[in-house]
Amino acid sequence: DTAVSQTPKYLVTQMGNDKSIKCEQNLGHDTMYWYKQDSKKFLKIMFSYNNKELIINETVPNRFSPKSPDKAHLNLHINSLELGDSAVYFCASSQPPQGSEQYFGPGTRLTVT
Amino acid sequence: QQQVKQSPQSLIVQKGGISIINCAYENTAFDYFPWYQQFPGKGPALLIAIRPDVSEKKEGRFTISFNKSAKQFSLHIMDSQPGDSATYFCAASSNDYKLSFGAGTTVTVRA
Repeated sequence: DTAVSQTPKYLVTQMGNDKSIKCEQNLGHDTMYWYKQDSKKFLKIMFSYNNKELIINETVPNRFSPKSPDKAHLNLHINSLELGDSAVYFCASSQPPQGSEQYFGPGTRLTVT
Repeated sequence: QQQVKQSPQSLIVQKGGISIINCAYENTAFDYFPWYQQFPGKGPALLIAIRPDVSEKKEGRFTISFNKSAKQFSLHIMDSQPGDSATYFCAASSNDYKLSFGAGTTVTVRA
């Protein structure tokens, strides 16, 4: 009965490759997010979708492209991977109103070599 | 720039002691202040949250103190237990969906 799930859990790839991370939530939430946690554990929001519509797009290289096929899924595609993309990426979801609890997935550890 | 400043970066406390983590913010539009707990290899999970209309909120051994005029809030963990060893993040948001997180505090509770 996993609430927010991500695949894969670990991703090791070489510079220049393209990769995707998938996220699914079974909570019935309307809003989903992608966060990046760097090696110092700092958490920064990247994107947010509400009912499949992009509502937050932080200063993220355009090599990162989110896609929400339906409100239960939010995928993250990364083109031309760079060493600095190595991090843990977390998907999260919440239900309006704004300022409500966000439920995080287990994270995907991306290592770019 | 970081909108929520958190300190200390880490702390060690003996079992049964009190852990105190402090956060400060500048954006007066913030109206929701949650604390998240993260164990190694896991995603953050909501621990406790407060809105600025109250100065304190307590849930079990965890208490948030909120000082609106000073734009500061803190988390107190009473009777700290080894199972409380984790990284704690304060956060804040305004009338949008964006949570701004502090840098995190790694708490180690020694038995």
